[in-house]
Amino acid sequence: GQQLNQSPQSMFIQEGEDVSMNCTSSSIFNTWLWYKQDPGEGPVLLIALYKAGELTSNGRLTAQFGITRKDSFLNISASIPSDVGIYFCAGQLYFGNEKLTFGTGTRLTIIP
Amino acid sequence: NAGVTQTPKFQVLKTGQSMTLQCAQDMNHEYMSWYRQDPGMGLRLIHYSVGAGITDQGEVPNGYNVSRSTTEDFPLRLLSAAPSQTSVYFCASSPTGVTTGELFFGEGSRLTVL
Repeated sequence: GQQLNQSPQSMFIQEGEDVSMNCTSSSIFNTWLWYKQDPGEGPVLLIALYKAGELTSNGRLTAQFGITRKDSFLNISASIPSDVGIYFCAGQLYFGNEKLTFGTGTRLTIIP
Repeated sequence: NAGVTQTPKFQVLKTGQSMTLQCAQDMNHEYMSWYRQDPGMGLRLIHYSVGAGITDQGEVPNGYNVSRSTTEDFPLRLLSAAPSQTSVYFCASSPTGVTTGELFFGEGSRLTVL
């Protein structure tokens, strides 16, 4: 089946640093989404992107839908302790299809 | 605000035992799904349902059964547990016909098969 590859797999940063992660696919997706999973919880939607080239922000988070529709990027500026968790990208083949394909995840750790 | 409720939160099984993971949502969502989460593998779709009486296979359905007799409930059955089914299982729901792509997840059920 389809697979989304995320990189890096894990990140160890200091509070206040900026973070960048990306997600690539062998297939085209019409929607890209970014979820965050806090420890012991289920994933929660952060940002959704619906158009190739689209750049969307949610507070300190900014995500982009790649022009080729095969990749997406997530940036977090000025990281804070509550940013710790696992970030997942997800692709949706077409509007109205609720089935999502998830990436392998990027685990973010903040070093005190 | 209940949202998506999964039970049990933790379970230990012996190889060959059967069990059912329960999932209930109170948001009147038509779409419900089960994912498993394994280290380095992300979330993989096991089974999904677009409404009561309708189910379909996802990416990794082998060893799991589902049924959807009501809008609210979507149980996942393991008929003969195997160590390879040790994982964290997430149930998720969403309204159909909505283009946002947002799934609402439960808190997860951690299953260990010895």
